[in-house]
Amino acid sequence: GESVGLHLPTLSVQEGDNSIINCAYSNSASDYFIWYKQESGKGPQFIIDIRSNMDKRQGQRVTVLLNKTVKHLSLQIAATQPGDSAVYFCAENMGKSQGNLIFGKGTKLSVKP
Amino acid sequence: DTEVTQTPKHLVMGMTNKKSLKCEQHMGHRAMYWYKQKAKKPPELMFVYSYEKLSINESVPSRFSPECPNSSLLNLHLHALQPEDSALYLCASSQSPGGNTEAFFGQGTRLTVV
Repeated sequence: GESVGLHLPTLSVQEGDNSIINCAYSNSASDYFIWYKQESGKGPQFIIDIRSNMDKRQGQRVTVLLNKTVKHLSLQIAATQPGDSAVYFCAENMGKSQGNLIFGKGTKLSVKP
Repeated sequence: DTEVTQTPKHLVMGMTNKKSLKCEQHMGHRAMYWYKQKAKKPPELMFVYSYEKLSINESVPSRFSPECPNSSLLNLHLHALQPEDSALYLCASSQSPGGNTEAFFGQGTRLTVV
């Protein structure tokens, strides 16, 4: 069946480096995507979103890129900090009227000081 | 106020117990969600409430019974659970269902079934 997935389950980076977390999706009907950050023992926290009519969106230190041709989503974190250490999930909304936000598998980001 | 509040934070219950999880938001959101998250896994959608009516039930066993008393509250009633139901239960809300707006999550209830 169709699902949201991630290429890398773990990512370790040096403090100050840039991080790139990838996500592949297979549902061509998806029209809205969100990146969430989840720290241990906490609920997912919204980072940034992007609609399918865009290919890039920037926030504070974060950029999301959407490539609909290959159904690929990425999250770039600039100047990664120890506080960025967490599990990152991409999620897709298939645009159904009732709402159905489906999460990918997650990538654990570890930042070395 | 961009908070979704869940109570209790932790819950231990026996397999014959009846308990309820509570969720509250005051953002005027009209869509509310229950997710289940096992360790090292992504959240899995259980139920969606749209304008206080159940719109999605992802084939969840009947021992989980959701309830939406009003637009700010969402409950999950638990009865005769199994140890494998132990997980983090997350509540979320969004402005409108399917409206392509972000969902805000609570901190979750860590449930242990013994």
